[in-house]
Amino acid sequence: GIQVEQSPPDLILQEGANSTLRCNFSDSVNNLQWFHQNPWGQLINLFYIPSGTKQNGRLSATTVATERYSLLYISSSQTTDSGVYFCAVEPAGGYNKLIFGAGTRLAVHP
Amino acid sequence: DVKVTQSSRYLVKRTGEKVFLECVQDMDHENMFWYRQDPGLGLRLIYFSYDVKMKEKGDIPEGYSVSREKKERFSLILESASTNQTSMYLCASSFGDRGTDTQYFGPGTRLTVL
Repeated sequence: GIQVEQSPPDLILQEGANSTLRCNFSDSVNNLQWFHQNPWGQLINLFYIPSGTKQNGRLSATTVATERYSLLYISSSQTTDSGVYFCAVEPAGGYNKLIFGAGTRLAVHP
Repeated sequence: DVKVTQSSRYLVKRTGEKVFLECVQDMDHENMFWYRQDPGLGLRLIYFSYDVKMKEKGDIPEGYSVSREKKERFSLILESASTNQTSMYLCASSFGDRGTDTQYFGPGTRLTVL
């Protein structure tokens, strides 16, 4: 089946720093989503981004489907950005379910 | 706002017990999902449902069953809990005829099986 790899696995930042999280996938996908899980376990959908670039405040995401990767950019990080960021893909071919990567754990210190 | 609630935040059970995890969503979503989350493995799909009384196996259905008698409620059942089912369980729901439309998650249930 499709493999979804996220890097780096762990990231520590000072407040105000910028960062880039990467998601590589091994096969064609119908769509790709980014999620944030806060330290209390709540998962929130950040982006639904099968291709192209989207921005939402300090966060933006780019998916290059032909090269099988997606990037999540966090600018001017804040302590509330801490948590785990997951990439999830729907494999092409009509499987109609999401496959999650292992996540990137981000800690932003004041 | 979409709201997905789960019956317990923390649960401790003994090996062999029957365990029910309940999930309720208030947005009339067709699709509901149960995942388990383990360190280093991300989220893995256990079961999902596209409609009332309908269920489909996900990637790791062994040892679990589900029930969807009403559109808003999706239950995960561990018939005989085992220690390897200690995990975080997350429920999600989504609108539409594609299970991969934007999914909304509940707060999770951390289950410990002793």
